Amino acid sequence: QKEVEQDPGPLSVPEGAIVSLNCTYSNSAFQYFMWYRQYSRKGPELLMYTYSSGNKEDGRFTAQVDKSSKYISLFIRDSQPSDSATYLCAMDNFNKFYFGSGTKLNVKP
Amino acid sequence: GAVVSQHPSWVICKSGTSVKIECRSLDFQATTMFWYRQFPKQSLMLMATSNEGSKATYEQGVEKDKFLINHASLTLSTLTVTSAHPEDSSFYICSAEDRGENTIYFGEGSWLTVV
Repeated sequence: QKEVEQDPGPLSVPEGAIVSLNCTYSNSAFQYFMWYRQYSRKGPELLMYTYSSGNKEDGRFTAQVDKSSKYISLFIRDSQPSDSATYLCAMDNFNKFYFGSGTKLNVKP
Repeated sequence: GAVVSQHPSWVICKSGTSVKIECRSLDFQATTMFWYRQFPKQSLMLMATSNEGSKATYEQGVEKDKFLINHASLTLSTLTVTSAHPEDSSFYICSAEDRGENTIYFGEGSWLTVV
């Protein structure tokens, strides 16, 4: 079983939709949780990182962590075509990082 | 947010030559940096973990004599692809760990084409 599981997609939504991206993990020792966005032919860009269970909001993005279920989510409100990218989740266990395989999102105008 | 600079962005080299890619953390000290390889439409593949002042730790299947990693300072790690072959053509990405924020930041990546 992989440490971090993420549906590769692709996920295709119309502009303006609410997008939900998810990852599950198996190691309850993970403490920090991150979401990265990667555009084609570019390095991943850090979007958000959280430490505890609960929600963290930044503009149109909300990161949610449920440690009891070992489940994290990234919500994108009012999605835009410019949000089309691959989204990677990542988590940290004592400075060893584990990545999901990435979900490809396509927001159609 | 913190910035990690990777250079060059694009490089073309002849088969048999060596090429060096630099990764710099611009506004934080990075004890640990990571090197990845990414094939088209695939996820990141961790090649090695680079720790300042010590030897890099390579992932299984990665040839350490072919992919030389040096992390001589807290802000610079280099990856040298030695005796490059066309099958080494790929997108190489570095990342640096910001221990103050307990997260990692990625460079923009380097496209290597071996002809």
